[in-house]
Amino acid sequence: TQLLEQSPQFLSIQEGENLTVYCNSSSVFSSLQWYRQEPGEGPVLLVTVVTGGEVKKLKRLTFQFGDARKDSSLHITAAQPGDTGLYLCAGARAAGNKLTFGGGTRVLVKP
Amino acid sequence: KAGVTQTPRYLIKTRGQQVTLSCSPISGHRSVSWYQQTPGQGLQFLFEYFSETQRNKGNFPGRFSGRQFSNSRSEMNVSTLELGDSALYLCASSLADDYGYTFGSGTRLTVV
Repeated sequence: TQLLEQSPQFLSIQEGENLTVYCNSSSVFSSLQWYRQEPGEGPVLLVTVVTGGEVKKLKRLTFQFGDARKDSSLHITAAQPGDTGLYLCAGARAAGNKLTFGGGTRVLVKP
Repeated sequence: KAGVTQTPRYLIKTRGQQVTLSCSPISGHRSVSWYQQTPGQGLQFLFEYFSETQRNKGNFPGRFSGRQFSNSRSEMNVSTLELGDSALYLCASSLADDYGYTFGSGTRLTVV
């Protein structure tokens, strides 16, 4: 059973469209991280959120951490083919604790 | 600065053999974690080392072990390999708690 459920599992959109990926859990996390992974490579950290209700923006990417620190979302505005990849959320229960990863959302942005 | 370096990148082993994978973290990072990634199970935590001490361990059998050296470099060992051990093994290092992790490119292990 995944402690972190990501949805959708797969998303295929046209360049210029918006998309949102969700990461939900019944557990509280002290911090939540989002990564993007490309084939044959390790995940690359996009952002870490630690405060309930926190919103972080990185160019066209907006990350939200739920008030109760149980869920998060990643929103991409005007997606580009370079956004294609596997998006992973990962939560830590306590400082220094292991990361629990969601199952991932595979995003395909078609030109 | 150099990233997390994992060696080798690819490895083919036979059932029953053992294997040792190596990870050099980013200079100054004292926390090193290992993960197994498979299509079916996704990314699963193996163990985490901090200053040469295992701080956390995942739910893997005792065939999976690791260690960390005084220079923070880490190794993981898998003994008596099984076909199901075929996976991408990822190492990640972190500067401090609640900082994000920097992953290496992984070692692709194939057991035949």
